Amino acid sequence: NAGVTQTPKFQVLKTGQSMTLQCAQDMNHEYMSWYRQDPGMGLRLIHYSVGAGITDQGEVPNGYNVSRSTTEDFPLRLLSAAPSQTSVYFCASRRSANQPQHFGDGTRLSIL
Amino acid sequence: SQELEQSPQSLIVQEGKNLTINCTSSKTLYGLYWYKQKYGEGLIFLMMLQKGGEEKSHEKITAKLDEKKQQSSLHITASQPSHAGIYLCGAASGAGSYQLTFGKGTKLSVIP
Repeated sequence: NAGVTQTPKFQVLKTGQSMTLQCAQDMNHEYMSWYRQDPGMGLRLIHYSVGAGITDQGEVPNGYNVSRSTTEDFPLRLLSAAPSQTSVYFCASRRSANQPQHFGDGTRLSIL
Repeated sequence: SQELEQSPQSLIVQEGKNLTINCTSSKTLYGLYWYKQKYGEGLIFLMMLQKGGEEKSHEKITAKLDEKKQQSSLHITASQPSHAGIYLCGAASGAGSYQLTFGKGTKLSVIP
């Protein structure tokens, strides 16, 4: 069972570079979300999607873009990386509002 | 917005001891989720509580939901080194909401 798969696991970028964090789930879940986890801040919601073609902003959306062209994939794009975006990023999915979220293993991103 | 406060922030116990972690919400709880995270890894779902007074157990871990107090507790009996990690509580942002808000986590260390 693959569950939620995130790639890459580690990435180092220079300030101003762009990149896409990939997230895929094979559970046919409608709801997907991206979080960042920082020391002392806990998990904060960046963007979420309730289905293909539908996305919305979470608590900390600035500097990030998302799209949801298929049910399976929910990529997170950093258009111009900044050191403040150094963090661990988690993708999650869930079947419905009364079901638990399933998390990927995370992407550790460092911006120099 | 909803806030979840976890206590204690960190906990060091000797193997075999019992312990309790609390999660208190600033707003009405519509479902409470407990997760465990090991360093450098993703979040593993432990238990979900949806009704006031609900109590669930899995192996040596018991979670309870007190709807009136807007609080949940996670109790570990006879702790083992394998219980070490970060425990996070998450709650729905509203009735029927897909979005989860998370506490900042409780770091548990178990000394053999």
